[in-house]
Amino acid sequence: QITLKESGPTLVKPTQTLTLTCTFSGFSLTTDKVAVGWIRQPPGKALEWLALVYWDDDKRYSSSLRSRLTITKGASRDQVVLTMSKMSPVDTATYFCGHFDPGTYYRPFNYFDSWGRGILVIVSS
Amino acid sequence: DIMMTQSPLSLPVTPGEPASISCRSSQSLIHTNGHSYLNWYLQKPGQSPQLLIYLGLNRVSGAPDRFSGSGSGTDFTLKISRVEAEDVGVYYCMNALQTPFTFGPGTKVDIK
Repeated sequence: QITLKESGPTLVKPTQTLTLTCTFSGFSLTTDKVAVGWIRQPPGKALEWLALVYWDDDKRYSSSLRSRLTITKGASRDQVVLTMSKMSPVDTATYFCGHFDPGTYYRPFNYFDSWGRGILVIVSS
Repeated sequence: DIMMTQSPLSLPVTPGEPASISCRSSQSLIHTNGHSYLNWYLQKPGQSPQLLIYLGLNRVSGAPDRFSGSGSGTDFTLKISRVEAEDVGVYYCMNALQTPFTFGPGTKVDIK
């Protein structure tokens, strides 16, 4: 069974850097050909994909937020870390991490099939 | 980036009646392998999104068979054959063909 859990600060000040950790179980990001991604959702608004890191350390980012985002595999093999710099109130959102399965060329999936519960991050002075 | 649009944005439904949501992408979502890389998610109130349909028409294990997906290229549809009360929430389509992945604005389904 795959589980993911987001952790980090729930309140950050404008201009600060946000660091979120996704701790997962039920799969390996070193031996399973999968990925972990981050998606956010401002209160009452739509989902927005942020970043993804594959098992082979290939990293992908949102076009609009690329300059502010860094996704890395954590020091612990069961963690992925997302940092977002220069936080502002518009970045207030629930941040989700998710397990992404690309499948294979002939048996593709390319979906987020498991999500964490999310963590609400408020940006305010 | 591939832009995703959905219609309607709000859909009041009557239990037992069918419902349909449309999703359109700004570029074709057809992969070289012939599949359309379009996913459907349902976010129930207060919950994380859950996968319903992948590759445009494949229902994920555990999703009720009243849900079906169709379409290819740039035009897709999610149908609920007979809406149940537990189907309320916001439905999102997602471009899964290429990064940056993009979501539609969501369609809020509630009971009339």
